[in-house]
Amino acid sequence: QKEVEQNSGPLSVPEGAIASLNCTYSDRGSQSFFWYRQYSGKSPELIMFIYSNGDKEDGRFTAQLNKASQYVSLLIRDSQPSDSATYLCAVNMRGTGNQFYFGTGTSLTVIP
Amino acid sequence: GAGVSQSPSNKVTEKGKDVELRCDPISGHTALYWYRQSLGQGLEFLIYFQGNSAPDKSGLPSDRFSAERTGGSVSTLTIQRTQQEDSAVYLCASSLSSGGLQETQYFGPGTRLLVL
Repeated sequence: QKEVEQNSGPLSVPEGAIASLNCTYSDRGSQSFFWYRQYSGKSPELIMFIYSNGDKEDGRFTAQLNKASQYVSLLIRDSQPSDSATYLCAVNMRGTGNQFYFGTGTSLTVIP
Repeated sequence: GAGVSQSPSNKVTEKGKDVELRCDPISGHTALYWYRQSLGQGLEFLIYFQGNSAPDKSGLPSDRFSAERTGGSVSTLTIQRTQQEDSAVYLCASSLSSGGLQETQYFGPGTRLLVL
């Protein structure tokens, strides 16, 4: 079983809709969770992190964490074509040094 | 401030040659990570440095791969006797390693390696 799993997609949503990206992780001891965006041919850039159960909002982005279900999600409201990218979920499993485990990413396309 | 830098940005080499990739982390970041990303794939962890020490080398795919870090700053990833399957983007990231829950990695632009 992979440490971090994401649906590879592709996920397509119309412009202005809400895009929902999901991620599950295997280690209950995981403490911190990160969402990165990666445009084609570019390196990952941090969108936001979350470490408490519940929702965390930053502009059009909302991260949701449910540690009991070992589930973290990213909602993108009012999706724009510029949001089209691959979204990577990363988990910091403390107790294993400082290693971060990445999912394989979900490809999102926002259709104008 | 300056971000993570990597060099070269692109490298084309012949099978069997050695290559050296360089990463310069954000100033003050004590943790440094190397990842590999093949076309259309996720990030594959290679090695992690805390200062000059590498507590986790578990991701290095073979003994042809090695990495070092000196002065707690610049790191080099060396691939000996390159093979075509080594072709990928090699990404470096750094973090403060403050030990807090907000520990965050910042990525460099990557080195695109092509082995012919």
